[in-house]
Amino acid sequence: DAGVTQSPTHLIKTRGQQVTLRCSPKSGHDTVSWYQQALGQGPQFIFQYYEEEERQRGNFPDRFSGHQFPNYSSELNVNALLLGDSALYLCASSFRSQETQYFGPGTRLLVL
Amino acid sequence: AQTVTQSQPEMSVQEAETVTLSCTYDTSESDYYLFWYKQPPSRQMILVIRQEAYKQQNATENRFSVNFQKAAKSFSLKISDSQLGDAAMYFCAPHSGYALNFGKGTSLLVTP
Repeated sequence: DAGVTQSPTHLIKTRGQQVTLRCSPKSGHDTVSWYQQALGQGPQFIFQYYEEEERQRGNFPDRFSGHQFPNYSSELNVNALLLGDSALYLCASSFRSQETQYFGPGTRLLVL
Repeated sequence: AQTVTQSQPEMSVQEAETVTLSCTYDTSESDYYLFWYKQPPSRQMILVIRQEAYKQQNATENRFSVNFQKAAKSFSLKISDSQLGDAAMYFCAPHSGYALNFGKGTSLLVTP
């Protein structure tokens, strides 16, 4: 039974560029949440997708957007990258939007 | 946003001994879930234990148990018979709405 998968594992971008991160949920899960974890901090909630719609959003600007596909996989897009966007981006999946969340290995984004 | 406080930035325990990690939080909700996650150096976020706030009985998962005090909004994690593989960053994460709200974490060192 495959767990949560994320791609790519690492990414290097320059300021002003755009990036797309991808996540496939655990088998049987229909909900995907995204978190940003800066070095030395706990993860911060970005948003959650359920039934292809954004259900809740954290305190992140509109430069952060997402999408969920009919197969429940999800993308996180970040436009106009800033140095401060450098972080580990974690995807978590769950069955229904309030159940236990299981995390993927993360994508490490470095913005130069 | 919900505030989560982990007052111990670092803790140390000897192998086979017991250690308790503390967590306090604030919430206006009456029914919610609480979680402890561990994050080893690989930065993979791993579920340790889950507690439902409506349950009076404290959750137990093998060597891991919690002391949940709902009125005091306290949720501590006890690790018994500590093993070298328990060394990691531990995050307390109450669930609010659809999001997990993470504390800043406690770094646990396990010495032989």
